[in-house]
Amino acid sequence: GENVEQHPSTLSVQEGDSAVIKCTYSDSASNYFPWYKQELGKRPQLIIDIRSNVGEKKDQRIAVTLNKTAKHFSLHITETQPEDSAVYFCAAVEGAAGNKLTFGGGTRVLVKP
Amino acid sequence: NAGVTQTPKFQVLKTGQSMTLQCAQDMNHNSMYWYRQDPGMGLRLIYYSASEGTTDKGEVPNGYNVSRLNKREFSLRLESAAPSQTSVYFCASKRTQSNQPQHFGDGTRLSIL
Repeated sequence: GENVEQHPSTLSVQEGDSAVIKCTYSDSASNYFPWYKQELGKRPQLIIDIRSNVGEKKDQRIAVTLNKTAKHFSLHITETQPEDSAVYFCAAVEGAAGNKLTFGGGTRVLVKP
Repeated sequence: NAGVTQTPKFQVLKTGQSMTLQCAQDMNHNSMYWYRQDPGMGLRLIYYSASEGTTDKGEVPNGYNVSRLNKREFSLRLESAAPSQTSVYFCASKRTQSNQPQHFGDGTRLSIL
């Protein structure tokens, strides 16, 4: 099955700086990679996703890059704000069928004002 | 649209008691999922239902059973609760098409004494 590793497990940044979270996956057939943000006591919410036919996707201050050859993908948050403080999870779909997601272990991001 | 609705939100059980967690979605999604999230950890798949009438085991199915009652509803049952099943349980759903995001409910916080 799929295995997703996520680094770092915690990340502290100064407000206005950038944050980068990296994930690697094992299944070369995976072709869909969502990112979720989870605030304390809340549900995971999709913030951005990328499919394997593109190498980069951007939505305002958030961007995701994908390197299929190296089997890794990254989340970039620019101009961080205190409300970006949360736990972020990467995920990869298992196989080409796309029914199951495997999640990384999560990154706790703290944005210091 | 309410999205994915889980009941109850909180529950305390004694070891050996049984309980059913309920999940319903109003997005006309075919696929539904049950995850558990232990403190400070990621999401682990318990069971999923790719479509009405089918269910499959995930990563951590032991001690649980599921029922896909109809297209809208997917329930998770603990037959004989154990302290190791203390966790937050999330239900999610998605469209049939591959490479679509999963949408999560607000979770059920379950404590087993």
